[in-house]
Amino acid sequence: RKEVEQDPGPFNVPEGATVAFNCTYSNSASQSFFWYRQDCRKEPKLLMSVYSSGNEDGRFTAQLNRASQYISLLIRDSKLSDSATYLCVVRGGSQGNLIFGKGTKLSVKP
Amino acid sequence: DTEVTQTPKHLVMGMTNKKSLKCEQHMGHRAMYWYKQKAKKPPELMFVYSYEKLSINESVPSRFSPECPNSSLLNLHLHALQPEDSALYLCASSRGDRATNEKLFFGSGTQLSVL
Repeated sequence: RKEVEQDPGPFNVPEGATVAFNCTYSNSASQSFFWYRQDCRKEPKLLMSVYSSGNEDGRFTAQLNRASQYISLLIRDSKLSDSATYLCVVRGGSQGNLIFGKGTKLSVKP
Repeated sequence: DTEVTQTPKHLVMGMTNKKSLKCEQHMGHRAMYWYKQKAKKPPELMFVYSYEKLSINESVPSRFSPECPNSSLLNLHLHALQPEDSALYLCASSRGDRATNEKLFFGSGTQLSVL
């Protein structure tokens, strides 16, 4: 099992849609979880941390399920500008490094 | 608007060339990183410097040589690269305190092409 797994997509959705991404991780001792957003040929940018109780930032909601070892990201009222690749990132590994999933590509259409 | 600055943004080099990538941050972060990213792949960790000491080398070939002159600067020296080394090279920094919520901040990267 890969350390961090994501559905690569692409997810093609119309503007205004709600879309959800899931991510699973293999190391049950992982303690930190993040969603990063990456536009084509640009650097990854932190979208939000994921907290145990779940957290929301505007149209974005992140959830963590430790028992099932998965993280989710919900985007409501999708905008064209949300089109990007969303990277699930988990702090794990033998030295506590950040481990990146392969990313889920989202394309929001008019 | 990134606070991690990388130069150059683009670099084309031959297999016999020697070049250097530079990275700078002024956020007071004490950990700095080099990542390599190929198209449609996630970033792959290459090196980590913690308090100016190399703490992680992910079995990177010796044609890549990192250097951390001080806590704000990180270089990656390149020599005798291969075409398959063409990629986006990303520098990142973090506080370095290894807190559970420690976040990475990336520079905009150097797009490297090896001919």
